[in-house]
Amino acid sequence: NAGVTQTPKFQVLKTGQSMTLQCAQDMNHNSMYWYRQDPGMGLRLIYYSASEGTTDKGEVPNGYNVSRLNKREFSLRLESAAPSQTSVYFCASSEVTGTGGFGYTFGSGTRLTVV
Amino acid sequence: RKEVEQDPGPFNVPEGATVAFNCTYSNSASQSFFWYRQDCRKEPKLLMSVYSSGNEDGRFTAQLNRASQYISLLIRDSKLSDSATYLCVVNAPYGNKLVFGAGTILRVKS
Repeated sequence: NAGVTQTPKFQVLKTGQSMTLQCAQDMNHNSMYWYRQDPGMGLRLIYYSASEGTTDKGEVPNGYNVSRLNKREFSLRLESAAPSQTSVYFCASSEVTGTGGFGYTFGSGTRLTVV
Repeated sequence: RKEVEQDPGPFNVPEGATVAFNCTYSNSASQSFFWYRQDCRKEPKLLMSVYSSGNEDGRFTAQLNRASQYISLLIRDSKLSDSATYLCVVNAPYGNKLVFGAGTILRVKS
C-alpha cells in the first residue's frame, strides 16, 4: 500500500545510546517532517525537509539530527539518548511544501523509551 | 500562549448525540485549517479541511471564523466509531509547516 513507512515501531534505549529512526514515502512528495507526540503536548515539529537536499529546524530540534537521503527517505538520529526523549515519533510527508494544502500523510509511529 | 488551543475534554456523549468542538489559533496570518482524527495509539489522519465558507462531509461540519480566529467541528448522530481524539491544525505562515493542537478526546457510549 502507498504511504509512509517508519521503522522501528518500538525501541528501548539506555541513556547515552544512539539510534536512527527511518522513514520512507512512496507518494513522490517533496516535503517530509518529523514530529514527536507527548501526552498533553500535542505534536511538536522536530525537523522538516521542504525538498530533497534541504533540512530545517522545527520547534524542538535539540538532541536530534536529520538526513534527507533522497526524495523518498528522511531519517532522524538521536546521538546520545536522554530520558526526556521518551516519546512517540511520527514521520509525515506532504505534496505541497508545508502549507498543508493537501494535508499530511503520517507513518504509523515509533514508540521510543529511554531508560 | 499556545499557537493552537483546544479543550482537551473528554467529551462523553451517547450514541446519536450532536457534539461540537472548538479551537482557537493565535496567528492571524494562517491560511490553511484542518481537522485530523487520531485513534488510540495510531497516527493522525486527515478528517477534513476547513474553508472560510464552512464545509460539510456527511455527519461532519467544519466552520471557520477568521475575525475571531476560531475553528469548529460539529458531529451529528454520533457513532461509537467516532470515539477518538480530534486535532485542530493550522498552517504556520513562517516556514510553511502545520501546527497541531493537543487534541480533544471524544468518547461515544452506547
